[in-house]
This record gives sequence, structure tokens and C-alpha cells, in this order.
Amino acid sequence: DIQMTQSPASLSASLGETVTIECRASEDIYSNLAWYQQKPGNSPQLLIYDANSLADGVPSRFSGSGSGTQYSLKINSLQSEDVASYFCQQYNNYPPWTFGGGTKLELK
Amino acid sequence: EVQLVESGGGLVQPGRSLKLSCAASGFTFSNYGMAWVCQAPTKGLEWVASISTGGGNTYYRDSVKGRFTISRDNAKNTLYLQMDSLRSEDTATYYCARVGGPFNYGSYFDYWGQGVMVTVSS
Repeated sequence: DIQMTQSPASLSASLGETVTIECRASEDIYSNLAWYQQKPGNSPQLLIYDANSLADGVPSRFSGSGSGTQYSLKINSLQSEDVASYFCQQYNNYPPWTFGGGTKLELK
Repeated sequence: EVQLVESGGGLVQPGRSLKLSCAASGFTFSNYGMAWVCQAPTKGLEWVASISTGGGNTYYRDSVKGRFTISRDNAKNTLYLQMDSLRSEDTATYYCARVGGPFNYGSYFDYWGQGVMVTVSS
């Protein structure tokens, strides 16, 4: 199984700040990586797929990058509505489809 | 508008069964692979099972193999998860999710339901 390791586990940032969340795969996943946002009390929503493609309706301040085993999600100009947990997921080698442990983003 | 609405959750004793349903609308259900993903309280996301468009291919995480069965009724636009021999560690919110891209079961999940809680306890 491919292990997905996210860092940091939690993060505190100020409004307007740029935030970066990292995701490392235990082997090359060839950019078959998605990022999800889960706001408190809600279901997950797709943000990014294929490592760097923005899902429909997602604000352009979100971006994804990376290749091989290392990937990142960047949020430019942090807004209050971005307070959420963020998860990465690989879909290169399955089953199982595997998720990172999550990053909880809070406002400072 | 794509909608996925789960139902069937609740409190159940260890060893008993429960069947979850997911009613889909707003897209051609039979063209999309589907999946169940769970989330234990205050924990992360964990894939549970997936099914291909016609239902001929199914996949399960090791911890539920032989106990859970994923199925679909394309005529009713509904996805199911039959959960047998339930254990306390199955306690979680279960989400129904659509696989991104038609005729594909091996991709990301582009739409999610609101989730249904399953609590296994005596």
C-alpha cells in the first residue's frame, strides 16, 4: 500500500498570509494526487486533482504542485472561509486508495 | 446539480448488520464509478470500497473484506453498502462519493454526499 504523509498536522496563520501544506508519498505516484478541503461539520470537497488542476468553482488562490513523491497545496492570501482540514489522496496505485492524515488550518 | 444523499445509518450492536443507501441525482449514474469513504470521529478519511459502472468490479479495504458488500442499482440511481458482522472500530461517518471522470473507477472523488453516521456499540 502507498503511505501518504502530510505535514504539518496543524497550522495557524493570519488573514492574507500564504500557507503551504506538504504531502509525501511512499513511492512515485506520477501526479495522481488530489487535495480535498473539509470545513467543520461538512463533507470533503475536491480542490485539486492531477496534482495541479483546479476543480470547478475553486478560487484561484488555491494551487497545487509537485511530482514524484513530493506534493504541495498552496493557499495565497488566506481568507477566513479557508479555515478547514485539508487532505491529500493518491489514486495511482490501488486498491487501496489512500489519504494523508490531514492538516487542520486555523486562524491566528 | 450533482447530489448524493446517504441514508440508513444509526446505532447498532456489535455483530449485527446495517445497510447504507446513497441516492444519486443530477448526472448519469450508470456512467460513473462510485465509492464509500469513512471518517471515524475526529479522525482522517479512509477509503472503504469502490464499484465500477456496471457493478462487475468491486474493491474493498482489507479490514472490511468478507463483511461489507458494495453494490449498485443503476435503474434506481442508488449505491449501497451492506455492512455485516459490525465491529466497534467500524464506528464512523460514511460518505458516498462519485469517482471523477465517466467510465473510470480508479480516480479521485469529485462529489461527496453529506455523510451518514454509523455507531457500533452495545
